[in-house]
Amino acid sequence: AQTVTQSQPEMSVQEAETVTLSCTYDTSESDYYLFWYKQPPSRQMILVIRQEAYKQQNATENRFSVNFQKAAKSFSLKISDSQLGDAAMYFCAYRSGNQGGSEKLVFGKGTKLTVNP
Amino acid sequence: EAQVTQNPRYLITVTGKKLTVTCSQNMNHEYMSWYRQDPGLGLRQIYYSMNVEVTDKGDVPEGYKVSRKEKRNFPLILESPSPNQTSLYFCASSLRGTYSNQPQHFGDGTRLSIL
Repeated sequence: AQTVTQSQPEMSVQEAETVTLSCTYDTSESDYYLFWYKQPPSRQMILVIRQEAYKQQNATENRFSVNFQKAAKSFSLKISDSQLGDAAMYFCAYRSGNQGGSEKLVFGKGTKLTVNP
Repeated sequence: EAQVTQNPRYLITVTGKKLTVTCSQNMNHEYMSWYRQDPGLGLRQIYYSMNVEVTDKGDVPEGYKVSRKEKRNFPLILESPSPNQTSLYFCASSLRGTYSNQPQHFGDGTRLSIL
């Protein structure tokens, strides 16, 4: 079974600085998808960024980018120019890409990010 | 507006009193899913549905039932709720389930307290 580990329960960053949230996963599959979701105090789950395992190029979405290291099974999220609105719980998630693979979306336990003014 | 709608948003009830949390999506999505979120545990999948009349267990299905009679609706049923089912529940949907990179769209969550 796949597992997702977020080793940092809490992180903090100064406004306008850069922060990196770590995520590692365990899988024997070769094809899969990885996601970062943001959950602000409003409790909504908002997709931040996604990465297809077959793509070598790291995904980017404005100030958010990932460092995807397939061999190391690592999928970290970098937030540049941090803003107060980035304060939230961040979840890393894994989904199988193999035909016949699990349909489940497996989440890590989350990292709470605080942005200090 | 594309959305996943859950009701109720908050519910306090007592042990053993059957309850249903409704979930509806207006995006014609095939895949729907229920999660529960507990402090320190992240989100854990309860049940999911690949399409109408197709449902399957997630990681923590005990004590829950679901049905998928229509594509847009995926209610979560607690036949005899117990205090350990006190949690924050999310419904989610996505266009496809099978080997898809489509992200899941989440509802706003339902806070259940079972006394």
